[in-house]
Amino acid sequence: NAGVTQTPKFQVLKTGQSMTLQCAQDMNHNSMYWYRQDPGMGLRLIYYSASEGTTDKGEVPNGYNVSRLNKREFSLRLESAAPSQTSVYFCASSLNSGGSTDTQYFGPGTRLTVL
Amino acid sequence: SQQGEEDPQALSIQEGENATMNCSYKTSINNLQWYRQNSGRGLVHLILIRSNEREKHSGRLRVTLDTSKKSSSLLITASRAADTASYFCATDARGYSTLTFGKGTMLLVSP
Repeated sequence: NAGVTQTPKFQVLKTGQSMTLQCAQDMNHNSMYWYRQDPGMGLRLIYYSASEGTTDKGEVPNGYNVSRLNKREFSLRLESAAPSQTSVYFCASSLNSGGSTDTQYFGPGTRLTVL
Repeated sequence: SQQGEEDPQALSIQEGENATMNCSYKTSINNLQWYRQNSGRGLVHLILIRSNEREKHSGRLRVTLDTSKKSSSLLITASRAADTASYFCATDARGYSTLTFGKGTMLLVSP
């Protein structure tokens, strides 16, 4: 099992460009999450999906869109990248449809720089 | 806003010593989790403690929870260089299905 995979690992964009970050999990998990990690800020939740076909906003959703393509895949799209979106992006998944006892499993991250 | 806040922000110790990290949170919780992040990697779950538990052990890890003080501590005994990482607490607020992570404690264990 690969667990949670993310592509790409690194990306450099110019302001205004768009891109999609891909995430897939092979653990048959119901919930998936997108976080961003900035120095000194910890992890902040961007969007999450408690089950296939549903998505909800997290703490910092502005400037992002998501798609839960199927149970395995959850993508994050930046329509018009801004320097403030320079960050490390992590995808995570958990077995149940949310719930505070869920263990979250994280991908290796995507390091995004917006010039 | 951050639900959990770790203290200290950074901790440097020698191999064999114990490391203690603290987490304080603001609102009532159902559970609290601790995660570890090695440099440049994703987070890895360490342990979960429920609100009705006071202490939990897992190998060299000991977690305590004091709901009256809204705080938790993570103790790593007999630290090893491989324990060098950032450690995060994650909490839920009652009624919510997502976790809120603190800013983390960076632990450096020197040989």
